Amino acid sequence: GENVEQHPSTLSVQEGDSAVIKCTYSDSASNYFPWYKQELGKRPQLIIDIRSNVGEKKDQRIAVTLNKTAKHFSLHITETQPEDSAVYFCAASSRGTYKYIFGTGTRLKVLA
Amino acid sequence: DADVTQTPRNRITKTGKRIMLECSQTKGHDRMYWYRQDPGLGLRLIYYSFDVKDINKGEISDGYSVSRQAQAKFSLSLESAIPNQTALYFCATSDLHSGNGYTFGSGTRLTVV
Repeated sequence: GENVEQHPSTLSVQEGDSAVIKCTYSDSASNYFPWYKQELGKRPQLIIDIRSNVGEKKDQRIAVTLNKTAKHFSLHITETQPEDSAVYFCAASSRGTYKYIFGTGTRLKVLA
Repeated sequence: DADVTQTPRNRITKTGKRIMLECSQTKGHDRMYWYRQDPGLGLRLIYYSFDVKDINKGEISDGYSVSRQAQAKFSLSLESAIPNQTALYFCATSDLHSGNGYTFGSGTRLTVV
C-alpha cells in the first residue's frame, strides 16, 4: 500500500545553521507533497507544498525539492531560528484521491 | 475567521464506553477527514468524506465509525473504547477547488482507561 518514510526522526542544529528533512514515497501516482509544522500543543499548519510538475519551490527561508525519479522530496530550512523548533511532517497525495499519507514526523530542535 | 472546531478538547473515558468526537467547520470546505496522531507514528487516516453522502475508510478504520451530518459537521465515534485508542485526534478539511492543503482542527486528546 501507500507509504511515506521520513528521516531523521529527530534533528538538532545550532541557530543559524541549515536543516534538511527527507521523505520517500512509494506510490508513483503521488502528485502533491505538502509539509506541515506542528508546534508543541498546537495543530499542524501547512508551511509549504509542491506539485509533481515542479522540481523546487522556495518561500523565504524554507524550500522543498522533489525528485520524481527517485520518489523522494526534502524540506530545507536555512538560517534556522529558535522558533523553527517543532515537529515537521511530510505528506504525499495521489491525483484524484485528495487524501494525504503522512510521514512519521521529525522533531527539530534549534539550539540557541 | 473561518475555522475548524473540535469538541471536546480533552476527554478521559473508560474501556467499553461509547464516545463521540465532533468536528464542525466554517470554512465552506467540502472534504473532511479524521486522523489520529501517536508519538513516532505520525498522522494516520481513520475516515474521510468528500460530501454528505460520501464516507470512505482510511488506513485504520477498525473500531471507529463516522457520521457526516451536514456539509459542515463530521463526527467520529468509538463504539466501545479500548486503551490503545488513546491518542490525539485531529479533524481536517480541504477544498475541492483550491487544493491548498488541509486545515486542521485544534485536536481532541482522548485517554481510555
